[in-house]
Amino acid sequence: EAGVTQSPRYAVLQEGQAVSFWCDPISGHDTLYWYQQPRDQGPQLLVYFRDEAVIDNSQLPSDRFSAVRPKGTNSTLKIQSAKQGDTATYLCASRQGNQDTQYFGPGTRLLVL
Amino acid sequence: GEQVEQLPSILRVQERSSASINCTYENSASNYFPWYKQEPGENPKLIIDIRSNMERKQIQGLIVLLDKKAKRFSLHITDTQPADSAMYFCAATLNNNAGAKLTFGGGTRLTVRP
Repeated sequence: EAGVTQSPRYAVLQEGQAVSFWCDPISGHDTLYWYQQPRDQGPQLLVYFRDEAVIDNSQLPSDRFSAVRPKGTNSTLKIQSAKQGDTATYLCASRQGNQDTQYFGPGTRLLVL
Repeated sequence: GEQVEQLPSILRVQERSSASINCTYENSASNYFPWYKQEPGENPKLIIDIRSNMERKQIQGLIVLLDKKAKRFSLHITDTQPADSAMYFCAATLNNNAGAKLTFGGGTRLTVRP
């Protein structure tokens, strides 16, 4: 079974530039999560979906971040105008139905100069 | 919401000794407590977990204890090896049909000296 896949693996931006991250969850997993992990810190939830519906986006900086999962499968996280404080690894995870375990993808490491 | 505190942030032990990491949580309704291991440049990988209907779980050299009254849970790694050196994260969540969001602790950097 293929795991969670993410692309790109790395991104380097100047402040003010936009960037999109893409996630393909494990097949059949209806719940998808985006986390932000600053260096040497624990992952912090940004947003999560069940199928195509946003369940919780309360931690997503809505002025510059957006996330969609239009068909309930793949998802895209976009930063409209990146800031240096956005430098972090962005992790996608997926979970199936009522199972407990979340499986993480390899992450996208973002550096904003 | 939930908040999870994790200590220590840095832990250095000698090979073949044991290592212990402690976490506390705030939401008494939380019912699932996973532990993840993360190596440099890698994604977090689940190593052991415990549900609220248990007090103790062991998988080989990993032991997790849960004290619901104190809202505290801990990971104990027995007979540590240099390959156990990594970041470890605890997390807590309320898993139900409405969904589940993990709240992570701040992490423990474990170094096992040969």
